Parts: sequence; C-alpha cells; structure tokens
Amino acid sequence: DQQVKQNSPSLSVQEGRISILNCDYTNSMFDYFLWYKKYPAEGPTFLISISSIKDKNEDGRFTVFLNKSAKHLSLHIVPSQPGDSAVYFCAASAATSGTYKYIFGTGTRLKVLA
Amino acid sequence: DVKVTQSSRYLVKRTGEKVFLECVQDMDHENMFWYRQDPGLGLRLIYFSYDVKMKEKGDIPEGYSVSREKKERFSLILESASTNQTSMYLCASSRDGNTEAFFGQGTRLTVV
Repeated sequence: DQQVKQNSPSLSVQEGRISILNCDYTNSMFDYFLWYKKYPAEGPTFLISISSIKDKNEDGRFTVFLNKSAKHLSLHIVPSQPGDSAVYFCAASAATSGTYKYIFGTGTRLKVLA
Repeated sequence: DVKVTQSSRYLVKRTGEKVFLECVQDMDHENMFWYRQDPGLGLRLIYFSYDVKMKEKGDIPEGYSVSREKKERFSLILESASTNQTSMYLCASSRDGNTEAFFGQGTRLTVV
C-alpha cells in the first residue's frame, strides 16, 4: 500500500515558467513533509520541508503548500531553471508518533527546457 | 559540512555472495536508514535504526539484515546476494523525525 503517491512520473516546463509538482498521502498520522531533489548517480538532497501546523513554507524559488484536509502537498518552483532538471521526491514522517522513518513517493522527473 | 559517507560508489558481486554495505555519518545523529531506489518504485525503506544496537524493519526487509554497533556507523548486509537485489542503495541519517534526513552518495550494486 503506497502511503505517499506522486502520480505524475514526469513533467516538462519551459525555462522561466512555474513548475508544480504534486504529492498525495493517505496516512493521517503524517505530520512532517519534505521534498528532495535527486540527480542521477547521486544521493537525494534536501530542498524544503513543512510541518503539519503550517500550510505554506517558502525558501527562495521553492514554495511548498500543504492541504491537510485533502492530504495533498505541492512544490512550486518559480522561475524554473535548466539546472532544476532532476527527479523530485516527496517524503513524509509521523514524528509525533515517535516513529522517525521517512516514507517516500515514487518521484517525478522534471525537465526544464531552455 | 554535514557528511554521510557510503563505502563504495559501485559494486559488482556474484549471486550467493555475502555483501556488506557500510555507511558512516559525522553529525552525531540518532537515526539512520537504508533505502533502495528502483525505477518507477521510488525510495523504499529496507531497515532503520533509532539508536545503537536498535533496528526496525522497513517496508522491504526480506533478504537483508543490518548492524549498528556504533552510533556513527550503520551497515547493510545481504546474506546471500540475488540478482533481484541489483539496485541503488542509499543510506541516510537524521536527528529526529522533525528535521531533514541527509543522504550519502549512494552505492550502485550489481549482482551477476
């Protein structure tokens, strides 16, 4: 049972435009959410996170939105740059339950076209 | 600069061999994790550890075991490697569940 889902395997966006990556989750115990970026043959690097007590968190070109009632989060990248081309994973944890493991989605491959 | 270091970038092993993947972190983190990444399946949790000598099964522990004798080191063991264990293996560590996990560079394991 996939607790964290990324239903779009790939996304192409023109340079300078907005990239929106989506993620859905099923476990209502999740209270901390993260986005990671991964290049081929490298480990994932952390981008941005959000706690369930917030509905938005912003860091430079990256903004994460959380809709708890819909169990949905999204990552907005504005403006998109060719260097943003990578696979993006969302992840979730249920920290307050005392279980510190992170459950990842299947990833979305973003291609930013110059 | 925080560091999670995996002992090998690339490994080729034969079916039936015992394989050790080593991971070391220098951040004094309590929690450490082993994931594998496969196309279309994302990152799947194999095992994690929240303290020295403590371990918990993740979603796909079959065919694997782990060892955490020291806080900074977390080892993944393939008792008898099989071709379906060919994958990218990723180690990570975190302070707690409310902060980000830091990943190593990954080990691409091929079992022939």
